[in-house]
Amino acid sequence: RKEVEQDPGPFNVPEGATVAFNCTYSNSASQSFFWYRQDCRKEPKLLMSVYSSGNEDGRFTAQLNRASQYISLLIRDSKLSDSATYLCVVNRLDSSYKLIFGSGTRLLVRP
Amino acid sequence: DADVTQTPRNRITKTGKRIMLECSQTKGHDRMYWYRQDPGLGLRLIYYSFDVKDINKGEISDGYSVSRQAQAKFSLSLESAIPNQTALYFCATSDNGGPNNEQFFGPGTRLTVL
Repeated sequence: RKEVEQDPGPFNVPEGATVAFNCTYSNSASQSFFWYRQDCRKEPKLLMSVYSSGNEDGRFTAQLNRASQYISLLIRDSKLSDSATYLCVVNRLDSSYKLIFGSGTRLLVRP
Repeated sequence: DADVTQTPRNRITKTGKRIMLECSQTKGHDRMYWYRQDPGLGLRLIYYSFDVKDINKGEISDGYSVSRQAQAKFSLSLESAIPNQTALYFCATSDNGGPNNEQFFGPGTRLTVL
């Protein structure tokens, strides 16, 4: 079983739609949580960190449920430019802050 | 100019050849990492370095070696390339700031081993 699991998608949604991605992690020692965005054939870039209280950045909202070991990303009012792969990422206290990457969820936003 | 650069960007080679991938950074970060990305498997850590001369194995280090001779440079070598090392390779850097460190990635090197 992978340490970080994501639905690979693709999620195919129209512009303006709201879409949610989920991620589960198996190691309870995981300490910090992130969403990275990766465009096709490009490098991953940090989208946002995920805090226990939940956090919002414009159209993006991230939630963390430590009890269920579950992370989510909600995108409201989808834009064509949101089309990308979204990587769920965790790090563990016992791993010298190395990152563990999920395999990503692909989002396609259509006109 | 990009903060993290990788050379070459694309490389096609043959089984058994020695290959070196180079990574340079101008961010002044101490920590550097090499990952490979394969479809459906996500990014997997090959080697990482927290300082000059510090080398640590990652999840999939077999068949690879690295060198960190300067803070700004971290090179990855495939001593004898094999076809299942065909992948997209990323270098990344981070600061020492603890669990919420952001990693900054280079543009990637697409390696094909025939």
